[in-house]
Amino acid sequence: LAKTTQPISMDSYEGQEVNITCSHNNIATNDYITWYQQFPSQGPRFIIQGYKTKVTNEVASLFIPADRKSSTLSLPRVSLSDTAVYYCLGGGATNKLIFGTGTLLAVQP
Amino acid sequence: DTEVTQTPKHLVMGMTNKKSLKCEQHMGHRAMYWYKQKAKKPPELMFVYSYEKLSINESVPSRFSPECPNSSLLNLHLHALQPEDSALYLCASSQRQRQNTGELFFGEGSRLTVL
Repeated sequence: LAKTTQPISMDSYEGQEVNITCSHNNIATNDYITWYQQFPSQGPRFIIQGYKTKVTNEVASLFIPADRKSSTLSLPRVSLSDTAVYYCLGGGATNKLIFGTGTLLAVQP
Repeated sequence: DTEVTQTPKHLVMGMTNKKSLKCEQHMGHRAMYWYKQKAKKPPELMFVYSYEKLSINESVPSRFSPECPNSSLLNLHLHALQPEDSALYLCASSQRQRQNTGELFFGEGSRLTVL
């Protein structure tokens, strides 16, 4: 059974780099790994996606090791507005697009 | 236009009521999804429509009845709900269902309270 797990919560201060990990023990060979951000009472919002190695966009980087059983979302120089829940999502064998357990990131001044 | 629009934003209903949640997208996506999200939990998949046909039903109780009238619209009909069905209901769309990239576009959700 596909299972995607993340740390429940993380704390950080403004200006720091934050790394959030995700374990996806049953990622399918062809599936990408996708990360979402969610604020309270809003729908999740796409952050970044990758297949292997490293991907970078204007807001984050995504690191995926060769075995692809985990991934790390890196947020550079976080601000208070980055306080949110972060979910990783792996397609899984059935492409059901199941969310991970989610990590609540709390950024303090 | 890259929005998924959900109505209503808030809904309060009694256990004997019949109501519907609506979702609309105009991105030409051919897969649409209903997720249910309880407080402090990840979104939980309920239904998937692919090319206007029900593709996945995650063993959802029959008091929830999905409908996809056309490729842009997705409804969730509610009848005889229980208080434990109170949650944020999220609609999402993607270009296709059986894609590997996992990029979903979500609406803002409909907050449902069952009294």
